[in-house]
Amino acid sequence: KNEVEQSPQNLTAQEGEFITINCSYSVGISALHWLQQHPGGGIVSLFMLSSGKKKHGRLIATINIQEKHSSLHITASHPRDSAVYICAVRWGGGSNYKLTFGKGTLLTVNP
Amino acid sequence: GAVVSQHPSRVICKSGTSVKIECRSLDFQATTMFWYRQFPKQSLMLMATSNEGSKATYEQGVEKDKFLINHASLTLSTLTVTSAHPEDSSFYICSARNPTGRIPNYGYTFGSGTRLTVV
Repeated sequence: KNEVEQSPQNLTAQEGEFITINCSYSVGISALHWLQQHPGGGIVSLFMLSSGKKKHGRLIATINIQEKHSSLHITASHPRDSAVYICAVRWGGGSNYKLTFGKGTLLTVNP
Repeated sequence: GAVVSQHPSRVICKSGTSVKIECRSLDFQATTMFWYRQFPKQSLMLMATSNEGSKATYEQGVEKDKFLINHASLTLSTLTVTSAHPEDSSFYICSARNPTGRIPNYGYTFGSGTRLTVV
């Protein structure tokens, strides 16, 4: 069964702390996405990775294809970073564009 | 760029009635639209995939007669929950595949979601 596991499920941090959220998947993928879901429910795409590392502002995403593992890092965390962070993968390629989602990590950053 | 507008954001309806949810791509042509359902503290579950001009492909266990999906144009897809029951209460969200796959949406743009409550 193709699975996506995220850890931790819940994470509470103080403003300014360095945050790491992890994602593991069971079989080979063509792409991995990190998404941010705000309390109202809307979802924003943060990164898409197929290899290596990407950085956008205070967010960094890495992926290790051999170990089937990705991490999302937030540097100098801020209360506005509080949200659910979701890892999603696309299995295979071609015309199959379906994503499989992890259960998400609820991040709360306290001032 | 690459915005998907989803309406309504919140709806309360009586048991037995039907509810239509719309997702509209505002500045791109969405050749493929995905419809998801999300229960509290759970991950998004894909309900169906719709391609413009063709019948939707439903995931196993999703009743196609209950969740009617129409993708009649490249900018509009609708999900109609027919004869709604309290167990259909959930958060429904659409996602459009943006074929250009450009930053910042990396090919997938999500609507803002619809919270359906059936009383």
